[in-house]
Amino acid sequence: LAKTTQPISMDSYEGQEVNITCSHNNIATNDYITWYQQFPSQGPRFIIQGYKTKVTNEVASLFIPADRKSSTLSLPRVSLSDTAVYYCLVGGYDTDKLIFGTGTRLQVFP
Amino acid sequence: KAGVTQTPRYLIKTRGQQVTLSCSPISGHRSVSWYQQTPGQGLQFLFEYFSETQRNKGNFPGRFSGRQFSNSRSEMNVSTLELGDSALYLCASSLGQGNYEQFFGPGTRLTVL
Repeated sequence: LAKTTQPISMDSYEGQEVNITCSHNNIATNDYITWYQQFPSQGPRFIIQGYKTKVTNEVASLFIPADRKSSTLSLPRVSLSDTAVYYCLVGGYDTDKLIFGTGTRLQVFP
Repeated sequence: KAGVTQTPRYLIKTRGQQVTLSCSPISGHRSVSWYQQTPGQGLQFLFEYFSETQRNKGNFPGRFSGRQFSNSRSEMNVSTLELGDSALYLCASSLGQGNYEQFFGPGTRLTVL
């Protein structure tokens, strides 16, 4: 199983861009990188998934370098409602036991 | 379409009792995974069911068990409850096994007294 490492916490202000980096040195060839967001007392919510280079959707961008040993979730112009825990997962479509690490607690200030 | 539903939402039990939690996945989803979330341990994988078969199991004692029915609905059971079993139990469904997009339910908050 690919182990992931993320910063425990980050602070930002409204309107700023936030970049959260995840390290996954032993990522396998068929592994994808997925990010989830979780608010208190709710289940995690899928944000974005990618394999290589850059993926963008309506809420975030995911940057993956060529060696795929890390990835960066980019949240443009965060608001107070983006205050949450963000998890990075690595695995393939046949992966056993997807592991949610400790996540990154993002606090957005006004 | 309807999301993942979990019942009950809140539950209070005493030590030694057993409990059964229910999860109804999104229509068409065949994979159901269960997670336990506590402040100290974070989100931990319990087990995954796919087409009525348990595919994977996390590192939890045998007191934790589950099953999946032909309509993909799933139940998990915890016997001989301990204080440390107090947690938010989350169910997630997805189209397939592994790293498919998982859709989480609201969870069941279990308190063991």
